[in-house]
Amino acid sequence: GQNIDQPTEMTATEGAIVQINCTYQTSGFNGLFWYQQHAGEAPTFLSYNVLDGLEEKGRFSSFLSRSKGYSYLLLKELQMKDSASYLCAVQRSNYQLIWGAGTKLIIKP
Amino acid sequence: DTAVSQTPKYLVTQMGNDKSIKCEQNLGHDTMYWYKQDSKKFLKIMFSYNNKELIINETVPNRFSPKSPDKAHLNLHINSLELGDSAVYFCASSQETLGGPNYNEQFFGPGTRLTVL
Repeated sequence: GQNIDQPTEMTATEGAIVQINCTYQTSGFNGLFWYQQHAGEAPTFLSYNVLDGLEEKGRFSSFLSRSKGYSYLLLKELQMKDSASYLCAVQRSNYQLIWGAGTKLIIKP
Repeated sequence: DTAVSQTPKYLVTQMGNDKSIKCEQNLGHDTMYWYKQDSKKFLKIMFSYNNKELIINETVPNRFSPKSPDKAHLNLHINSLELGDSAVYFCASSQETLGGPNYNEQFFGPGTRLTVL
């Protein structure tokens, strides 16, 4: 079956670093996406990993281990505007995306 | 110059009615999708069209019927609306050709919040 697990909610402090984990079990794997979704808005693309390792993009980095079925999104120098849900999505071999339920990140001053 | 647009943004209707949601993308993408996001925030794929042809049709009641008049439009018609249909419906598109590059970021529309009373 298809299974993607993320923590439901996390809390962090402004200026700090937070790591949001995602584990997956899917039939067929092309790559893994991270999307950000602010309340009441559409998801927006953050990153895509297809090879093992860390992809860095400004304050956000994403890591993938295909053998472990594991990814994380690392957010540095947290800002209040980073309060949002972060969605992990696995791209299967047929290009279909399987979505996790998202992690709601709450940033406190 | 909106990339993916949906209408209406809000839709409140009675049980048993029939309603449509429209989606248009001006990105020149080949593939369009309909997702349902329920109160638990799961994004669930409903349909996917590639160049006007249906390629993904998940287990969705046949009261839901997508229509793609051209590759820039994917509309969703819902018959006999039920309370459980209340959700946010997102349209998305990607530049994805079957057998082509793997990287196909999906661009989402603003969503249509459907409330069935």
